[in-house]
Amino acid sequence: DTGVSQNPRHKITKRGQNVTFRCDPISEHNRLYWYRQTLGQGPEFLTYFQNEAQLEKSRLLSDRFSAERPKGSFSTLEIQRTEQGDSAMYLCASSLRAGGLHTEAFFGQGTRLTVV
Amino acid sequence: KNQVEQSPQSLIILEGKNCTLQCNYTVSPFSNLRWYKQDTGRGPVSLTIMTFSENTKSNGRYTATLDADTKQSSLHITASQLSDSASYICVVSPNNNDMRFGAGTRLTVKP
Repeated sequence: DTGVSQNPRHKITKRGQNVTFRCDPISEHNRLYWYRQTLGQGPEFLTYFQNEAQLEKSRLLSDRFSAERPKGSFSTLEIQRTEQGDSAMYLCASSLRAGGLHTEAFFGQGTRLTVV
Repeated sequence: KNQVEQSPQSLIILEGKNCTLQCNYTVSPFSNLRWYKQDTGRGPVSLTIMTFSENTKSNGRYTATLDADTKQSSLHITASQLSDSASYICVVSPNNNDMRFGAGTRLTVKP
């Protein structure tokens, strides 16, 4: 499978616990995005990377959230001290930007987080 | 206020019928507009992408239109199938770094 891969697909955690999600983008893509999607809503932007550099963070990304892309390939999104309001689908997308070329963003299947 | 508004919020149609979904946006400047299909529990999958100069684009039974003057787009689905049941999300980009998502239209196709 050469698409965007996210793990795990589902995560149930108790309030207050930390969770970490992983995203493996399409291999030649240098841009990686994280979005959060709640039921009945469109995805909301959280952050994006160009290679290993985190270029933009949304105000939605509180200090409990941190994202990394240490080698410019896969990325992790960690949520510390989870709250029930963090329950959502977390989507990862990747694209290629090189010179004047910018491909569309391809999305992974998402990680469904449920905080109980 | 969301800069990308979609209507209707949900729609139920019978298999074989046609339908049209609407997207109005206030995003400015404008780079491109995409329609995505999102099956339940899955990530969005791109259907069409349209730039400023394009008025219509087809992808099989899906036809998207764009009026950049009135900032409106539509997605027309012809001869609907049960597998068309999904959320359809309109995404408008002001530049290559940013995507503004609508809340989506939830389409249900019934036999």
